[in-house]
Amino acid sequence: GDSVTQMEGPVTLSEEAFLTINCTYTATGYPSLFWYVQYPGEGLQLLLKATKADDKGSNKGFEATYRKETTSFHLEKGSVQVSDSAVYFCALMQRGYNKLIFGAGTRLAVHP
Amino acid sequence: SAVISQKPSRDICQRGTSLTIQCQVDSQVTMMFWYRQQPGQSLTLIATANQGSEATYESGFVIDKFPISRPNLTFSTLTVSNMSPEDSSIYLCSVESRTGTYEAFFGQGTRLTVV
Repeated sequence: GDSVTQMEGPVTLSEEAFLTINCTYTATGYPSLFWYVQYPGEGLQLLLKATKADDKGSNKGFEATYRKETTSFHLEKGSVQVSDSAVYFCALMQRGYNKLIFGAGTRLAVHP
Repeated sequence: SAVISQKPSRDICQRGTSLTIQCQVDSQVTMMFWYRQQPGQSLTLIATANQGSEATYESGFVIDKFPISRPNLTFSTLTVSNMSPEDSSIYLCSVESRTGTYEAFFGQGTRLTVV
C-alpha cells in the first residue's frame, strides 16, 4: 500500500541555519503531496502542497518540490527561526480517495 | 478554508468509561474524517464519516469501540468506548477542501488521557 517515509528527528539547528527534512513516498499513480506543521499545543496546519510532478509548493519561506523520478518531496528553508520549532509531517493523498497518509513526523528544534 | 471546532479540547477519563468528542464545521462538507495521534506518533485515520450513511472504518478500528455519528453536513461525533490507558491519544477531526485541491483542514484536536 501507499506509504510515506520521513527522516527521523529530532533535528536541532541554530537560528538562520539551512533546513532540509527528507520525505519519500511509495504510491501508485500521481498522488498529491503535502507538508503539515504542528506547533506546540496546536493542531495541524497545512504548510504547503504540490499536486503534480515538478510542482513547487512554498509558504512562509519553506519550499518543497514534487519529484516524481525520485518519489520525493523534501522540505527546505534557507534560514530557520526559533518560531519554526514544531513537528513537521509529510503526507500524501490519492486522488479520489480523500484519505491522507502521513509520515512519522520530524521534530525540529531551533535554538537562538 | 474551513474552520473546525472540537470539544472538548482535553479530558482525563477513568478506564472503562466512554467519551464523546464533537466536531463542528463552519460550512457544509460531504466527508469528515477522524484521526488518532498516539503519543509521539504520527496520525492514523480511524474512519470516514459521510452524512446519511454508516462510517467507513480503517483496518484495526471497529464501530463498537469508536462509534461515529454524522447527523448533518456540519457536525460529527466520535465516541471512544470502554476506554483503557492505550486509548490515551489526541483525536482529530478533519474535513476536505471544497475547492477540489485535495487538501485537508484539521480541528485543534482533543487530548485524551485515560487513567
